[in-house]
Amino acid sequence: NAGVTQTPKFQVLKTGQSMTLQCAQDMNHNSMYWYRQDPGMGLRLIYYSASEGTTDKGEVPNGYNVSRLNKREFSLRLESAAPSQTSVYFCASSDGQTETQYFGPGTRLLVL
Amino acid sequence: QKEVEQDPGPLSVPEGAIVSLNCTYSNSAFQYFMWYRQYSRKGPELLMYTYSSGNKEDGRFTAQVDKSSKYISLFIRDSQPSDSATYLCAMSRDSGYSTLTFGKGTMLLVSP
Repeated sequence: NAGVTQTPKFQVLKTGQSMTLQCAQDMNHNSMYWYRQDPGMGLRLIYYSASEGTTDKGEVPNGYNVSRLNKREFSLRLESAAPSQTSVYFCASSDGQTETQYFGPGTRLLVL
Repeated sequence: QKEVEQDPGPLSVPEGAIVSLNCTYSNSAFQYFMWYRQYSRKGPELLMYTYSSGNKEDGRFTAQVDKSSKYISLFIRDSQPSDSATYLCAMSRDSGYSTLTFGKGTMLLVSP
């Protein structure tokens, strides 16, 4: 099992450009999450999906959109990137029966 | 007041030392408590999971929860250089599907 995979690993964008971060899990989990991690700020929840077909806003959703494509895949889109969105983005999944979340390796995003 | 407070460190100890990592929280509704370990440039991985008050031991690691004081701890015995990482506490209110609230993490450095 690969667990949670994320692509790309690293990306540089210019202000105003758009991009989609991809996440997939092979653990048959119902719930999926997107976080950003910034120095001194910890992990902050952007969006989450309790199950296929549902999405909800987290703590910091502004400037982002998500799509739960199917049970395996949950993508995060930046429509018009801003320097404030420079961060490390983590995707996570859980089975919805316990509180345990399994994290991917992260995507490092630099917005110039 | 932040919901979860965690000293960012760094905490530097010699190999073999007993390490104590702590978090305090303000929301008395939290019932499920976790510790994640994050190596540099990697995603967080679950280390310990505890429900309500009490202790849980796993090898060199012991997690302790004191709900009356709103205080959780992670103890590492016989610390090793491979324990050098950032340790994040996390907690949630409900069982099953719910969002986690994370501390900002404590960086631990174990020197040989």
